[in-house]
Amino acid sequence: DAMVIQNPRYQVTQFGKPVTLSCSQTLNHNVMYWYQQKSSQAPKLLFHYYDKDFNNEADTPDNFQSRRPNTSFCFLDIRSPGLGDAAMYLCATSTGHGQFFGPGTRLTVL
Amino acid sequence: AQRVTQPEKLLSVFKGAPVELKCNYSYSGSPELFWYVQYSRQRLQLLLRHISRESIKGFTADLNKGETSFHLKKPFAQEEDSAMYYCALSGQGGSEKLVFGKGTKLTVNP
Repeated sequence: DAMVIQNPRYQVTQFGKPVTLSCSQTLNHNVMYWYQQKSSQAPKLLFHYYDKDFNNEADTPDNFQSRRPNTSFCFLDIRSPGLGDAAMYLCATSTGHGQFFGPGTRLTVL
Repeated sequence: AQRVTQPEKLLSVFKGAPVELKCNYSYSGSPELFWYVQYSRQRLQLLLRHISRESIKGFTADLNKGETSFHLKKPFAQEEDSAMYYCALSGQGGSEKLVFGKGTKLTVNP
């Protein structure tokens, strides 16, 4: 009965090699978010979609892109991962009454 | 600037003792305040919203606008309360973008 699903749970990539993380939801929520959480730090919002409207945070690097082809799916693309991009990436959804989080994808950059 | 401060990185109490996790915020306007909890190896999940004024798992939190605080309290801690607790705020409105504090790791000892 998982409501927000993230795949894969663990992703290893090489420095500079593009990687895509995926998120799907069964809640039919109109808002989806991507957060980055580095070790011992708070989750930090990268961007969010309100329906199809994409909203980028001002300090999100250009290296990070996102796609939302439909209500259920959202993707995080990292075009050229650097060592500093190693982190847990969290997807969340909301209808404005609190956010539902996925289990996260732990990204390792070699 | 929006900011959430959780002054205690670690908090350790004995079972049955009262517990208070502190949260202070900075926001120009009327924010919504939340507590999120992450149990070991589980996803981040919503514990409380200030506007719902609920008691969840025995926890309560009162928004004090004068002191800009939203401390989380429980009169009698249980071992299963051991977890990472994050205070978060969002501006009012549909997109509900969250700004998280750095979190407090609560350990309840037997």
